[in-house]
Amino acid sequence: DADVTQTPRNRITKTGKRIMLECSQTKGHDRMYWYRQDPGLGLRLIYYSFDVKDINKGEISDGYSVSRQAQAKFSLSLESAIPNQTALYFCATSAHSGGGSGANVLTFGAGSRLTVL
Amino acid sequence: QQQVKQSPQSLIVQKGGISIINCAYENTAFDYFPWYQQFPGKGPALLIAIRPDVSEKKEGRFTISFNKSAKQFSLHIMDSQPGDSATYFCAASVRGGSEKLVFGKGTKLTVNP
Repeated sequence: DADVTQTPRNRITKTGKRIMLECSQTKGHDRMYWYRQDPGLGLRLIYYSFDVKDINKGEISDGYSVSRQAQAKFSLSLESAIPNQTALYFCATSAHSGGGSGANVLTFGAGSRLTVL
Repeated sequence: QQQVKQSPQSLIVQKGGISIINCAYENTAFDYFPWYQQFPGKGPALLIAIRPDVSEKKEGRFTISFNKSAKQFSLHIMDSQPGDSATYFCAASVRGGSEKLVFGKGTKLTVNP
């Protein structure tokens, strides 16, 4: 089984619909992230969480919300999807920062491709 | 303002050739420079990383060259193979700041047989 599992892997929806993308991890990492990937734009951080009670906005949080249900689960919601949210979404995890180089290593899931019509 | 500029956007190399991808940054506080490799249908995975106290780091056929004064770093893939065909992302962050990792826009590498 994958260390970081994302569901669904593919989703097609219509404008205005509520969508939830789910992420679970078996790495035992404290830190979880949601990124968005668009062709030619690289990876952009949407939200991140350092523990269950900690939620932080990233570079492009508008139109998105998240929930950290447990240490191992982090979900991303689009309350009212719009076409420009069509993208590939990645969940990632990392270990608690202790200053060592390993703390900066992100482990990504396989991605969730979302299409908003 | 893009903090990490990556070039080229795409690269085609013949098998056995050298692939070179370049990145430049402005923020002198950056002190961790990783490269991530992404195969189609997969998430990115850490390939190799360097800190600015060294000018070069080599792991197998993959080498990072780092020029602190020029604020540039590059990935060199020696003896490129078709299996190296992937998208490569450079990134940079301040110490201990996974949430501060800034990615370049990516380079799609194609290695022809």
